[in-house]
Amino acid sequence: KQEVTQIPAALSVPEGENLVLNCSFTDSAIYNLQWFRQDPGKGLTSLLLIQSSQREQTSGRLNASLDKSSGRSTLYIAASQPGDSATYLCAVTWPGAQKLVFGQGTRLTINP
Amino acid sequence: DAGVIQSPRHEVTEMGQEVTLRCKPISGHDYLFWYRQTMMRGLELLIYFNNNVPIDDSGMPEDRFSAKMPNASFSTLKIQPSEPRDSAVYFCASSWTGRLGQPQHFGDGTRLSIL
Repeated sequence: KQEVTQIPAALSVPEGENLVLNCSFTDSAIYNLQWFRQDPGKGLTSLLLIQSSQREQTSGRLNASLDKSSGRSTLYIAASQPGDSATYLCAVTWPGAQKLVFGQGTRLTINP
Repeated sequence: DAGVIQSPRHEVTEMGQEVTLRCKPISGHDYLFWYRQTMMRGLELLIYFNNNVPIDDSGMPEDRFSAKMPNASFSTLKIQPSEPRDSAVYFCASSWTGRLGQPQHFGDGTRLSIL
């Protein structure tokens, strides 16, 4: 069964720290992997999309990496700010279907 | 560009009533997805369409749920009759096939409460 796991479920760090969020997936033959941000009561905002042929993608203070062989992706957030507080979700698409399979998310709190 | 538009944003209704959720995808997108989010189960795909045709409805929980996409700019998700366990946030998302995989864009969701 194709599954996506995110650990930990919650993370709290002081402002200014660099941090890493983890995502793991079964079946390494993925099509692509997407990181989303969700604020309370809101929809999902796409942050980064990594194709299966890519190793990483960067956007501002965010960097997402992909290691298919180990079935893992990480989202690196540099110089964290209170505005980064949100739930971060990882989602994977496997070949043959356009649907995303989501992890349960990591709820991130940045303390001023 | 307008994003994915969902209506209503909130819906509170009594058990047994029919509920209709609406979605307008981003213009030009050829895929449309319906998801449900609960604390217990997280985000789950219910059904998705390609060029208005349902491709995979294996996530639809039971026959009380139905979805339609009569044209490229409109889709509905209907629950009849509704039950308290249907209470959740329902999201619609759309994407464009493109040459490579494209990101899905989500609406703000409909928060559904069945009393």
